[in-house]
Amino acid sequence: SQTIHQWPATLVQPVGSPLSLECTVEGTSNPNLYWYRQAAGRGLQLLFYSVGIGQISSEVPQNLSASRPQDRQFILSSKKLLLSDSGFYLCAWSGGGVLADTQYFGPGTRLTVL
Amino acid sequence: KQEVTQIPAALSVPEGENLVLNCSFTDSAIYNLQWFRQDPGKGLTSLLLIQSSQREQTSGRLNASLDKSSGRSTLYIAASQPGDSATYLCAVYGGSQGNLIFGKGTKLSVKP
Repeated sequence: SQTIHQWPATLVQPVGSPLSLECTVEGTSNPNLYWYRQAAGRGLQLLFYSVGIGQISSEVPQNLSASRPQDRQFILSSKKLLLSDSGFYLCAWSGGGVLADTQYFGPGTRLTVL
Repeated sequence: KQEVTQIPAALSVPEGENLVLNCSFTDSAIYNLQWFRQDPGKGLTSLLLIQSSQREQTSGRLNASLDKSSGRSTLYIAASQPGDSATYLCAVYGGSQGNLIFGKGTKLSVKP
């Protein structure tokens, strides 16, 4: 069966520090991968998605970047965190090559920027 | 621009009641609609996915309906239990790949 992992589970970082969140998927090949952010009082917002290694699409302009160095690894990064980057970050995957397939979410990373 | 609205924002019911959660969306040109459950501090769990050509989907005590033309979906929960307490999120899929648009959710509390 497929599983999705995220780490760390929680993170407290000062403003201006770098960020690296990791997401890995097991039990599937060529998945579509997604990064979402859930801010307090707001709905989930899609940040990035990837249909293959090295292929990243950004949905909104922001202080963050994403990379996919391996088929089942998705990384969210920042060079300098802002207060507004605080939130709950969720990674998700769906079947590769199938449009509008069910998305499966990881456990999330709670990021607090102070 | 697609917008998804969920009403009510919060709902508290006694155990055993049947209940309905509502979701509406502004652009009817969707591929599918999904209902998710989110427990506090946790990720999302997919409950039901309804393709645009379908009218409803059922899983156990859950039944989701879709009226694409009117831009509405409902999630019906039968015989609610305290373990059903969570936030329920509706999301529609339309446009470019990966573009799942979420509502803000309905926070459900089922009292024993």
